[in-house]
Amino acid sequence: DIQMTQSPSFLSASVGDRVTINCKASQNINKYLDWYQQKLGEAPKLLIYNTNSLHTGIPSRFSGSGSGTDFTLTISSLQPEDVATYFCLQHNSGWTFGGGTKLELK
Amino acid sequence: QVQLQQSGAELVKPGSSVKISCKASGYTFTSYDMHWIKQQPGNGLEWIGWIYPGNGNTKYNQKFNGKATLTADKSSSTAYMQLSSLTSEDSAVYFCARSIRFDYWGQGVMVTVSS
Repeated sequence: DIQMTQSPSFLSASVGDRVTINCKASQNINKYLDWYQQKLGEAPKLLIYNTNSLHTGIPSRFSGSGSGTDFTLTISSLQPEDVATYFCLQHNSGWTFGGGTKLELK
Repeated sequence: QVQLQQSGAELVKPGSSVKISCKASGYTFTSYDMHWIKQQPGNGLEWIGWIYPGNGNTKYNQKFNGKATLTADKSSSTAYMQLSSLTSEDSAVYFCARSIRFDYWGQGVMVTVSS
């Protein structure tokens, strides 16, 4: 089974900051890595699919990069509404989530 | 617009079963996989399995073989998940989500297993 290691687990940043969240796969997952945002009490929402494709309606300050085993979600300029927990998901072989990154405002 | 409307919260006894639903609208139900995901506080998210409503094909995470059974009713565009032999470890929020990349999610169903 593919394991996904997400870092950091917790992140505190200020409005306007550039924020990066990382996911590392235990083996090559090609481009099949998605990113989700989950606000408290809500269902996760797809942000980025297949490493770097922006889902419909998602602001352009969100972007994804990476390949193989190492992937990154970047928020170019943090907004107050971005406070949430972020998860990565690999679907190259089955489906495995990362452990999540809780993002708070400093 | 695509919507997945799940059934309400459940309080069930240990050893019993529960069946939760996910009603789809805004797209062709039979053309997309429906996936189910478990979320426990502090334990993150786990993929349970998927069903393709077009032909009823299913695939399960080995961990949930024998625990979860996925079905779909094309006439009502509704997917179902039955969980059996419930224990406290099954207390969680369960989501349905559309397609291989989980592009749309239901609101989640909280299942509490307690005597």
